[in-house]
Amino acid sequence: AQSVAQPEDQVNVAEGNPLTVKCTYSVSGNPYLFWYVQYPNRGLQFLLKYITGDNLVKGSYGFEAEFNKSQTSFHLKKPSALVSDSALYFCAVRDGGSQGNLIFGKGTKLSVKP
Amino acid sequence: KAGVTQTPRYLIKTRGQQVTLSCSPISGHRSVSWYQQTPGQGLQFLFEYFSETQRNKGNFPGRFSGRQFSNSRSEMNVSTLELGDSALYLCASSPGGRGKAFFGQGTRLTVV
Repeated sequence: AQSVAQPEDQVNVAEGNPLTVKCTYSVSGNPYLFWYVQYPNRGLQFLLKYITGDNLVKGSYGFEAEFNKSQTSFHLKKPSALVSDSALYFCAVRDGGSQGNLIFGKGTKLSVKP
Repeated sequence: KAGVTQTPRYLIKTRGQQVTLSCSPISGHRSVSWYQQTPGQGLQFLFEYFSETQRNKGNFPGRFSGRQFSNSRSEMNVSTLELGDSALYLCASSPGGRGKAFFGQGTRLTVV
């Protein structure tokens, strides 16, 4: 069965510092991987996806993610964090290929302090 | 283009009642999926509809049901509500279920 793990419940960084939010996955076949962000009392907003191609994927709001097949990881990164990046971040994988439903990790709360 | 619209935004129901939630997808999107979000269980997949047919179903009891209309709008129904059904219900649409999904702001259901 497909699964996604986000090992950190919370990540704390200082504004201006680089940030990393970790995600590992377990899939059979080619992975379809996504990152979403959720602000309080809001739905999920798409950040970026990996389906095929370059291992470094660039997304919205200056975020990027690195796909590592050997480590089955898809970590979210940003070179310089902003206070406004504070939110809940979800990694997800499509179950069973390109048209499967999304399976989400538990989420990681990112807190960026001034 | 208008985004995914979910109505109502907030609902308070009593145990044993039933509830219907509505989702209007982005124009042209034929796939609509529903997810339940709770602090304890996180985001869990309920079901997906594509062209008025249920294409995928998650592991939820039969009290949870849905349907999709010819204009791609979707409704989700929960019968015989339980306290544990209190959650944020999110709807997502995509052109064909492939690639990224666009989420609505959700309906916050509280069962008392």
